[in-house]
Amino acid sequence: EVQLVESGGGLVKPGRSLRLSCTVSGFTFGDFAMSWFRQAPGKGLEWVGFIRSKAYGGTTEYAASVKGRFNISRDDSKSIAYLQMNSLKTEDTAIYYCSRAADRRVVGWFDPWGQGMLVTVSS
Amino acid sequence: EIVMTQSPATLSVSPGERATLSCRASQSISSNLAWYQQKPGQAPRLLIYGASTRATGIPARFSGSGSGTEFTLAISSLQSEDSAVYYCQQYNNWRPLTFGGGTKVEIK
Repeated sequence: EVQLVESGGGLVKPGRSLRLSCTVSGFTFGDFAMSWFRQAPGKGLEWVGFIRSKAYGGTTEYAASVKGRFNISRDDSKSIAYLQMNSLKTEDTAIYYCSRAADRRVVGWFDPWGQGMLVTVSS
Repeated sequence: EIVMTQSPATLSVSPGERATLSCRASQSISSNLAWYQQKPGQAPRLLIYGASTRATGIPARFSGSGSGTEFTLAISSLQSEDSAVYYCQQYNNWRPLTFGGGTKVEIK
């Protein structure tokens, strides 16, 4: 069974940093791009960024709202994707989801998704 | 940025009836569109990709259609467990990937 489990969330003060982890099982992690999304309380879904598989360069893309502050990385030996969040703002408060690109070759649609991890940025 | 617009915001449908949800892109995205279902307190679940291909395990009552800028998700015979928010997402341009604002489907 394919599983994605996020960890590392919680309450953090504005300007501080936090790192989320997404630990996966049930598939060959290194073969797939991984993405992060978020959902502010009561709002819709927002794409945060993704990291390609090493076969496609392992490069990253980010939403403008987080570019320069957030960094996505991966450790294929541990089957973990990371979201390093720096210079956090109150508007970064959201449930953060990790997800796998559903196709090895195309970063487009995503399945499955983790259960989500709440990050609250507040003083 | 490609803006995705969903309508209506809320749809109230009786069990067994057909529900039709719309998604419009601000520019052509070919068939590079996915639909997700999100129930309260749960993560999104992929329903449709490539505008019309059902994901693994998705019941046949869910169908997607459209190309270019106009897309539709239809639920042919609504069941109580279909109560959820439905989101469309374009992947024609991943700078950035964008979602519609969602349609909430309620059961009458």
